[in-house]
Amino acid sequence: AQRVTQPEKLLSVFKGAPVELKCNYSYSGSPELFWYVQYSRQRLQLLLRHISRESIKGFTADLNKGETSFHLKKPFAQEEDSAMYYCALSGGYQKVTFGTGTKLQVIP
Amino acid sequence: KAGVTQTPRYLIKTRGQQVTLSCSPISGHRSVSWYQQTPGQGLQFLFEYFSETQRNKGNFPGRFSGRQFSNSRSEMNVSTLELGDSALYLCASSLRRGLSDVITDTQYFGPGTRLTVL
Repeated sequence: AQRVTQPEKLLSVFKGAPVELKCNYSYSGSPELFWYVQYSRQRLQLLLRHISRESIKGFTADLNKGETSFHLKKPFAQEEDSAMYYCALSGGYQKVTFGTGTKLQVIP
Repeated sequence: KAGVTQTPRYLIKTRGQQVTLSCSPISGHRSVSWYQQTPGQGLQFLFEYFSETQRNKGNFPGRFSGRQFSNSRSEMNVSTLELGDSALYLCASSLRRGLSDVITDTQYFGPGTRLTVL
């Protein structure tokens, strides 16, 4: 079974502070991990995926198979980062399991 | 290129009725997935269609069904509506080149259909 856990419903940080959104997963095989983001009044969209190893809008995420985690990090939060963030996992073949999401609030 | 479109955007139904939602994927995308989004449960996978056949299924009762047409457009049907079916229903399209394509492609989401069951 695929499971994704995002322990924080809400994370509030001050502008310029570091951000870490937690994501833990449960999967017996080799998963594909994603972070999706939904800004206010916009559609859910891909932020990054672990196989691309990209840094998007200053965010990075490292897959830690030992700890089964895929935490999203950014060294300095910006106000425009305020959004809903979803961690997602796929065992392949387009079946995707999403976490319940974390709302990031960046305080000016 | 035009994004994923969903119709209608809003629906109000009463218990016991049935409803059909429509999703048009991005041109060239052959896979369409459906999700139910609620405040308590977040995004839950309903099913995925590729090449007019359901390829993946989540843990929803048989009242939830779907289909895909030859142009990749998809419809989702919910029969005998219950109050708990009130939710935002999202569809997402992706490339998925073939059945043996293991890598899960990026999903592109539509704006959703807000269903309210009274």
